[in-house]
Amino acid sequence: GAGVSQTPSNKVTEKGKYVELRCDPISGHTALYWYRQSLGQGPEFLIYFQGTGAADDSGLPNDRFFAVRPEGSVSTLKIQRTERGDSAVYLCASSLLATGELFFGEGSRLTVL
Amino acid sequence: GQQLNQSPQSMFIQEGEDVSMNCTSSSIFNTWLWYKQDPGEGPVLLIALYKAGELTSNGRLTAQFGITRKDSFLNISASIPSDVGIYFCAGQLGGGSNYKLTFGKGTLLTVNP
Repeated sequence: GAGVSQTPSNKVTEKGKYVELRCDPISGHTALYWYRQSLGQGPEFLIYFQGTGAADDSGLPNDRFFAVRPEGSVSTLKIQRTERGDSAVYLCASSLLATGELFFGEGSRLTVL
Repeated sequence: GQQLNQSPQSMFIQEGEDVSMNCTSSSIFNTWLWYKQDPGEGPVLLIALYKAGELTSNGRLTAQFGITRKDSFLNISASIPSDVGIYFCAGQLGGGSNYKLTFGKGTLLTVNP
């Protein structure tokens, strides 16, 4: 497709479980970002990839959160031992360059029961 | 961390009315951006502002980058029902963190036909 694709669109899990969220950026975009949006809030920065490497992971809330982008395209956000407070919409965005316009996906809504 | 104060939190207006919303920051940004988010979608960029004092229009939308670099406003003229959604301001820092966006909490706009 032409836009940023995120799967799953909805994920319901139980507290303590492991979750993976996938992002497929726009073809050719080298920069990829993960943001988290809690209910009634604006998106908050989690991590930024330039190519395969995480250039800035300062927004990850703790060591239960990890993200990879092994081939410089698709990225996976991994959350271990999920907690109810992790419930949010996880947004992925990509841009052609680090300073270019961000194009957001529709997000993955995570609900931790 | 950085905080953006966006107001008003919500607005309920009649079709055809003009709308104004604004954003203030405790810190300087070198870029201000305005996004619109529809339910179940990711934010979509409306207007980007790159210079202090800059006034930019995009159709019925007009936005300004405050001269102090700590504020911005967005005006929508002659509102129509499809303007309904959540509007977010976002700031980008300069230097090495230029890519990272800090979002406001959003303004929920409802337009009564």
